[in-house]
Amino acid sequence: RKEVEQDPGPFNVPEGATVAFNCTYSNSASQSFFWYRQDCRKEPKLLMSVYSSGNEDGRFTAQLNRASQYISLLIRDSKLSDSATYLCVVNIMDTGRRALTFGSGTRLQVQP
Amino acid sequence: DVKVTQSSRYLVKRTGEKVFLECVQDMDHENMFWYRQDPGLGLRLIYFSYDVKMKEKGDIPEGYSVSREKKERFSLILESASTNQTSMYLCASSLNIGLYEKLFFGSGTQLSVL
Repeated sequence: RKEVEQDPGPFNVPEGATVAFNCTYSNSASQSFFWYRQDCRKEPKLLMSVYSSGNEDGRFTAQLNRASQYISLLIRDSKLSDSATYLCVVNIMDTGRRALTFGSGTRLQVQP
Repeated sequence: DVKVTQSSRYLVKRTGEKVFLECVQDMDHENMFWYRQDPGLGLRLIYFSYDVKMKEKGDIPEGYSVSREKKERFSLILESASTNQTSMYLCASSLNIGLYEKLFFGSGTQLSVL
């Protein structure tokens, strides 16, 4: 079983729609969580960190559910420019591990 | 802005060749990483380094080695390239390892091994 799992998509949504992605993680030692965005043929860039109480950045809302071991990303009022792959990233701080673990990504295509 | 520069955008090598992938960062970051990215598998960590001359194996170190002689430079070495090492290689750096460490990536090197 992968340590970080995401639905690969693609999620095809019209402009203005609300879309949500989930990501599950298997290691209960996971301590911090992130969403990165990767445009086609570009490098990943940090979109937002995910805090225990949930957090919002403009049209983007991230939630963490430790009991069920998943994080989510909600995008409201989708724009064409939101089309990208969204990578779920987990910081597993157990013994010997000192680096981030990435999911394989969920592709979003926003259509006019 | 942090800049992470990878020496080549595209590279074509033959099986058995020794391959060097170079990465340089300009923000005095302690930590540097090498990932490979393959369709359906996401980014997988090969090696990382949290100080000069220090290195740690990631999840898939077999067939690779690394070198960090200077703080700003982290090299990935394929001692004898094989076709299953055809992939996108991404270098990254970060200022510190903590709960909310932020990674800055280079633009990647697409390596094809024939």
